[in-house]
Parts: sequence; structure tokens; C-alpha cells
Amino acid sequence: AQSVTQLGSHVSVSEGALVLLRCNYSSSVPPYLFWYVQYPNQGLQLLLKYTSAATLVKGINGFEAEFKKSETSFHLTKPSAHMSDAAEYFCAVSVPLGSNYQLIWGAGTKLIIKP
Amino acid sequence: DTEVTQTPKHLVMGMTNKKSLKCEQHMGHRAMYWYKQKAKKPPELMFVYSYEKLSINESVPSRFSPECPNSSLLNLHLHALQPEDSALYLCASSQSGGLAGYSETQYFGPGTRLLVL
Repeated sequence: AQSVTQLGSHVSVSEGALVLLRCNYSSSVPPYLFWYVQYPNQGLQLLLKYTSAATLVKGINGFEAEFKKSETSFHLTKPSAHMSDAAEYFCAVSVPLGSNYQLIWGAGTKLIIKP
Repeated sequence: DTEVTQTPKHLVMGMTNKKSLKCEQHMGHRAMYWYKQKAKKPPELMFVYSYEKLSINESVPSRFSPECPNSSLLNLHLHALQPEDSALYLCASSQSGGLAGYSETQYFGPGTRLLVL
């Protein structure tokens, strides 16, 4: 069965430091992977997605993620954290469900930015 | 315009009330979704509509009743809810769903925060 594991329910970094949020997946088929961000009291917004075109995917707000098949990982990074990056981040994989597809979500990682 | 709107933003209801949540998108998307999200948890899929037809019902209790009057509008009718149904209800849409939905981005609305007393 497909699944997504996000390592660390909370990650705390200083403003200006590197952000690294980890996501590992298990999938029996080539995966389509997504990172979404949820700011407090808001819906989810797509940061970036992997659809097999390129292993390094650039997203919004300076985030990027690298797909590594050998490690079954799709970690999210940003070179320099900003206070506005404080939010909950979800990794998800698209899996078949009947004649549709659904997103299987990781548990989420709360990113805390220290001034 | 990549906006999905949801009304109301907040809703408080008693266990005997009937209320409805509304979701609207004008992106021409043909797939629409309802999710339930409890605090500090990822969203849980409830229903999927594809081309105005209900295509997925994730074993949701009958006190939740979805409706898709047209391709832009999605409703969730609520009746006789329980306190454990208190959550953030998120609506999302994507281009077409179905077999093309594998790589589609889902666009989420801001949610309706529901409290059942």
C-alpha cells in the first residue's frame, strides 16, 4: 500500500538558516508527489509537485524538492528561512482509488522559525 | 483566477440542526472534493465529484450529504451531527479528476470551521 512518512512533527530553524523537511514515500507505481503548505486558519496551497519531468522541482516562495528514487524520498528545502515560512507542511502522494485518484497525506511537519 | 471560495467561514450548530456548507470555483474545473481536517492532522477525503457525478464516498456517515448542482458549485448538507464532527471542512477542485487526476493539482478553499455543540 502506498504511504507517506514525514520525519519530525516539528522542525525549528533560525531565520536565515536552511530549511529541510523530510518526506519518504512508498509506492508500487511511479509516484506523483506533492508538497502543500497550510498557514494558520487557512486552506492548503500547493508549493510544488513532482510529475517525473525533472528530479529537482522548484516551487513557490523559494522552496524546492529533489526526487530520489533510490532513497524513496522527496525532501523539501529552502536555502534561507523567513519568518513568513512558519506554517504546517504536508507531503502527499497520488494513488488510484477506483476510477479516480486520491492524495495520501503525510502527518505534516510544523515549521517554526526562530528570530 | 485560482480561487476556491467557501461559505460560511465559521459555523456553530446544535446536534439537531440542519445546515449547509457551500463551495464555489470558477476555474472551469470538473472535479470537486470535500475533506475533513481535525486539528494538527492531515485532511481526510470525504467525497469526490467528477463531472457533477459522485464518484467517491469514503464511507462517510449519512448525516453528511453532498450535492453538486452544477460544475462550479458544491454543497455539503449537514444534519444531526455529533460533537466529534467538529473540524475544518475543506473544499478543493482540480481540472478533471478521474483517470487524468493522477498528476492534477488540487486547489483548496480556506475552509469552514464547524463546531457542533
